[in-house]
Amino acid sequence: DAKTTQPPSMDCAEGRAANLPCNHSTISGNEYVYWYRQIHSQGPQYIIHGLKNNETNEMASLIITEDRKSSTLILPHATLRDTAVYYCIVRVPSGTYKYIFGTGTRLKVLA
Amino acid sequence: GAGVSQTPSNKVTEKGKYVELRCDPISGHTALYWYRQSLGQGPEFLIYFQGTGAADDSGLPNDRFFAVRPEGSVSTLKIQRTERGDSAVYLCASSSNSAERGYTFGSGTRLTVV
Repeated sequence: DAKTTQPPSMDCAEGRAANLPCNHSTISGNEYVYWYRQIHSQGPQYIIHGLKNNETNEMASLIITEDRKSSTLILPHATLRDTAVYYCIVRVPSGTYKYIFGTGTRLKVLA
Repeated sequence: GAGVSQTPSNKVTEKGKYVELRCDPISGHTALYWYRQSLGQGPEFLIYFQGTGAADDSGLPNDRFFAVRPEGSVSTLKIQRTERGDSAVYLCASSSNSAERGYTFGSGTRLTVV
């Protein structure tokens, strides 16, 4: 699976949009981009995924560049409860479906 | 159940002892995964079950680690002759067959070997 690169930490003011970047320059044509987050003392939580089109759900938006070498997760109105570690993962949606997690981005939402 | 349940939530054991960690997946989910997470690191894949069989056990670190899922639902991760380096949070996740939408993790079992 392709390797991803994320900044180790970010801060965001409460109520503002949080934009979390991810580089996946070696992504293959059939690999999806997945985002999970992990709040302290809990297991990772699925947020969103996409292949090449931008995606939006009730939690977030995912913007994937046209060359698919990077993506951005957007939390439109961050709250204190969004403070967590956010993981960007790329993988093929077949076979074992296992994820290779990196160390993620620790997002701190400030009051 | 509504979510993935893992028991116990915390386990302290002495070096050299045997431990079992249990995972109850979401009802109807055919795929089940075990991951291990050390402090400050992302989860590390251990093993994947599709139904009753281990389809991928490439992440098990050595032969002291073993996992079973005899009836295709509940799974048990077994660790023999525990070592202090086995201390970590052990996470279980389950998903439907396609798993395209991702999978659901439990809250984990924190294992401490003293």
